[in-house]
Amino acid sequence: AQTVTQSQPEMSVQEAETVTLSCTYDTSESNYYLFWYKQPPSRQMILVIRQEAYKQQNATENRFSVNFQKAAKSFSLKISDSQLGDTAMYFCAFMSGYNFNKFYFGSGTKLNVKP
Amino acid sequence: GAVVSQHPSRVICKSGTSVKIECRSLDFQATTMFWYRQFPKQSLMLMATSNEGSKATYEQGVEKDKFLINHASLTLSTLTVTSAHPEDSSFYICSASGTNYNSPLHFGNGTRLTVT
Repeated sequence: AQTVTQSQPEMSVQEAETVTLSCTYDTSESNYYLFWYKQPPSRQMILVIRQEAYKQQNATENRFSVNFQKAAKSFSLKISDSQLGDTAMYFCAFMSGYNFNKFYFGSGTKLNVKP
Repeated sequence: GAVVSQHPSRVICKSGTSVKIECRSLDFQATTMFWYRQFPKQSLMLMATSNEGSKATYEQGVEKDKFLINHASLTLSTLTVTSAHPEDSSFYICSASGTNYNSPLHFGNGTRLTVT
């Protein structure tokens, strides 16, 4: 079974600063996908970034980037130039390449961006 | 981008009654839809996987007779909470996938269910 662990229940960062959210996962599969989702107070789940396990290059989306360490089964999210609108719950998620679209979510990290 | 519409966004019902929640994919066909339950300040817990034209697959511990799922078309899945009790009060979120195995989940906006 797949497990996803987010060890930081809550984090704070000053506006314009950089913050890194941690995520580790456990799987015996070689083909899988990893995601970070954002859930603001509106409760809408918003895809932030995705990473295919077969790609060595770390994914980047504007101010968001990941540090994917496959051997260590680590998938951290770095948010640069934090903005007040980044305040939200962030969930790390695992999707098997063999049972696609069945997601396993971490417990989430509440990120507070302070002015 | 792909849009998933979930309705209603909020519902209050009395104990013993049933509530139906709809999840529609508006601009794409969703062969598979997922239903999640989220308690306050907690993660999304997968309840069941709904495949068009077949019976839903429920996760361990989820009562299939209590949470009825119907996926009659490629654009609509429904979750019916039968004989609701206060402990069923929660936030329910649906998501849909497209036919491309690379497509990530597209989430609905969720339904806040309160059972009094």
